[in-house]
Amino acid sequence: NAGVTQTPKFQVLKTGQSMTLQCAQDMNHEYMSWYRQDPGMGLRLIHYSVGAGITDQGEVPNGYNVSRSTTEDFPLRLLSAAPSQTSVYFCASSYSKLAGSTDTQYFGPGTRLTVL
Amino acid sequence: GEDVEQSLFLSVREGDSSVINCTYTDSSSTYLYWYKQEPGAGLQLLTYIFSNMDMKQDQRLTVLLNKKDKHLSLRIADTQTGDSAIYFCAESPYTGKLIFGQGTTLQVKP
Repeated sequence: NAGVTQTPKFQVLKTGQSMTLQCAQDMNHEYMSWYRQDPGMGLRLIHYSVGAGITDQGEVPNGYNVSRSTTEDFPLRLLSAAPSQTSVYFCASSYSKLAGSTDTQYFGPGTRLTVL
Repeated sequence: GEDVEQSLFLSVREGDSSVINCTYTDSSSTYLYWYKQEPGAGLQLLTYIFSNMDMKQDQRLTVLLNKKDKHLSLRIADTQTGDSAIYFCAESPYTGKLIFGQGTTLQVKP
């Protein structure tokens, strides 16, 4: 298993450009999430999905769209990039649907995005 | 609301014990987690504790939970230079969602 993969690893955008960060997992996990990591702020949840065709907003969803057409893929779209979206983005996946599950969230290696 | 707080930096000497502290607000979280992030890498689950437990030990790691004070700590015994990383405390108020603290950077001096 490759686990959780993310592409690209690095990206530089100009303000106003759009792009899609890719995330894929080959573990047949139901749950997938996108987080952003900023210095001194830990990780904050952007969007998450509890299964194919189902998505919901996290703490900081503005400026981002997601879709989940397959179990394996969970792309994150930046519609019109802004400098405030400069961050490291992590995708994560986990299996269980049960509340309070111990099931580990597996994280991808991250995408470092700079918006000029 | 949901909030997790950690101190930002801890420096110890190799061989000493490290204690990283965390406070959280959501008493409904069934599990609390510790993640480790090495430079340039994603997050790796270190350990977790069920909310009705006071302590969990896993080799060099000891997790203590004070549910009354909503305080969680991670003790690393015999700290090594390879333990240098950022450590995140996280709570899970509901499935698929983790609330992270800001992360504690652990520096281990030889």
